[in-house]
Amino acid sequence: QSALTQPASVSGSPGQSITISCTGTSSDVGRFNLVSWYQQYPGKAPKLIIYEGSKRPSGVSTRFSGSKSGNTASLTISGLQAEDEADYYCCSYAGSSTFVFGIGTKVTVL
Amino acid sequence: EVQLLESGGGLAQPGGSLRLSCAASGFTFSNYAMSWVRQAPGKGLEWVSSISGSGVNTYHADSVKGRFTSSRDIAKNTVFLQMNSLRAEDTAVYYCAKGDRRDTALVTRFDPWGQGTLVTVSS
Repeated sequence: QSALTQPASVSGSPGQSITISCTGTSSDVGRFNLVSWYQQYPGKAPKLIIYEGSKRPSGVSTRFSGSKSGNTASLTISGLQAEDEADYYCCSYAGSSTFVFGIGTKVTVL
Repeated sequence: EVQLLESGGGLAQPGGSLRLSCAASGFTFSNYAMSWVRQAPGKGLEWVSSISGSGVNTYHADSVKGRFTSSRDIAKNTVFLQMNSLRAEDTAVYYCAKGDRRDTALVTRFDPWGQGTLVTVSS
């Protein structure tokens, strides 16, 4: 199972919106509406920010939103803030109780 | 509050074994699948294994299949990862994470995660 494709880095100025793509195949992202997104600060455990493609857990900022089109899922961060500077990973169910993560995207706030 | 606490990491020689533990609290342990996810130094996340709430069904990534085994002790609210035939490429921080369903095939997310335990495989 190959890792999902994400851009290595994305940057934006405070207040701007950025979008991180997560490209898989028709066997994972395209087949199931089960993409989740995780935010990770250096030296810390990942934190869930989006699940089932577009749902936000309680307590997660409404500035985070998710979507999917075909084999590509996307995470949008609107109103970019300094605290959003972190690594972001997508994850998709891949069938038969297996999962695949994206390679990760480093978000930099300029 | 859900809490997950991993332990058991450390230094192992190539070909050696380690057993990781993840102690869970704050939820009905047998009602939820649990998973292991690892992160090599400076690298991304890699799903390693999932185990159903009952412990009957386990699934492993191809990279560890035949070498790693997940299990759980429902009475002790603990999930384990037995790692045998360790290789240098198994060096990573290993996280346990709670699923949102009992059946691993229905898990939609990993939440929350433990703080991780570092496994280093080196001679």
